[in-house]
Order: sequence, then C-alpha cells, then structure tokens
Amino acid sequence: GNSVTQMEGPVTLSEEAFLTINCTYTATGYPSLFWYVQYPGEGLQLLLKATKADDKGSNKGFEATYRKETTSFHLEKGSVQVSDSAVYFCALSDDYKLSFGAGTTVTVRA
Amino acid sequence: DADVTQTPRNRITKTGKRIMLECSQTKGHDRMYWYRQDPGLGLRLIYYSFDVKDINKGEISDGYSVSRQAQAKFSLSLESAIPNQTALYFCATSGLSGRGLGELFFGEGSRLTVL
Repeated sequence: GNSVTQMEGPVTLSEEAFLTINCTYTATGYPSLFWYVQYPGEGLQLLLKATKADDKGSNKGFEATYRKETTSFHLEKGSVQVSDSAVYFCALSDDYKLSFGAGTTVTVRA
Repeated sequence: DADVTQTPRNRITKTGKRIMLECSQTKGHDRMYWYRQDPGLGLRLIYYSFDVKDINKGEISDGYSVSRQAQAKFSLSLESAIPNQTALYFCATSGLSGRGLGELFFGEGSRLTVL
C-alpha cells in the first residue's frame, strides 16, 4: 500500500538557518504529494503540493520537488524564522484519501 | 467562524463511557474524514464519507463508528471508550478535484482523554 516516511525530529534551528526535511514515499501509480503544517494548538493546513513528477510546489519561502526517480519530496527553506516553528507532515494521496508521515517537529530559536 | 468546526475541543472521560465527537462544515464539500493523531505516528484515517449514503472504513476503524447526518455534519462515536483511544482527533473535508483528491481542510481538533 501507499506509505510515507519522513525524517524523525525534533529539529532545532537558529533563525535564518537552512531547513530541510526529508520525505520519501512508496506508492502504486502516480500519487499527488503534499506538505502540511500544524502550528501549535491548531489543525493542519496545506503548505504546498505537487501533482506530477518534476513539479515544484512552493509557498511562504518553502519549496519541494516531486522526484519520481528517487521517490522523494523533500521540504526546504533557505532562511527560517521563529514563526516557522511547527510540526510538518509529508503526505501522499490516492484518489480518495491522504496517507501521512509521522510528522517532524521544528523549533526555530531567535 | 471556522469553516470546519469540531465539538467538543477537549473532553475527559472514563473507560467504558460512550463519547461522540461532532464535526460540521460550511465549505459545501462532499467528502469528510476523521483522523486520529498520536505522537510519532502522524495522522491515521479512521473513517471517511463521500456523501450521506457513502461511508467507508479507514485503517483504524475498530472501536469507532460514524454517522453522516447531512452533507455538512459528520460525527464520530466511541461506543465504549478505552484508554488507548486517548488522542487528538481531527475532522477534515475535501471538495472533489479534477485529478484525484483535492486539498484537505482541517478542524482545530478534539483532544480526548480516556481515564
């Protein structure tokens, strides 16, 4: 079945540092890939997505590229801020549901 | 007001009690979902519904039941709560998209503690 594996946290960074969170997937067919973010005390919200190979999703300075050859969708941001402290979830979809990774907690220190 | 509203936001109950978590949405979406979040396990799908007459089990449906009372309402019940059902529960909705699943919109979560 479809599954997602993302790097374990927690990750602690200083402001303006580079962030990367690895995500790899196993799937049949051609799923869409997503990154969701959960800020403290809130529900998840979509950060970015990619629907086919080589697509790059981007939002709020975050980027991720759908790599079919390496079955990966790594999340990157060049210069993080304290406000980026959150839990980040990689996810993939078939036609009717999302399968989520375990989540990576990111803390950015001033 | 939030587009996806969950009640209650927090609940403490005892083993063996019946609990209902409610979800309502104003987005007009057909698809609704219940997920459970546990530390280190991410979100796991409990049940999902494509319309009022279409309800499907997810990967961890044992011990849970659901009711889709209307397009906008989807409730999750624990008939006899047990401590390992202590978790954060999320309701989510999705509109249909041209290619597979569209974006999921989540409620703020219902934190359930079973003593």
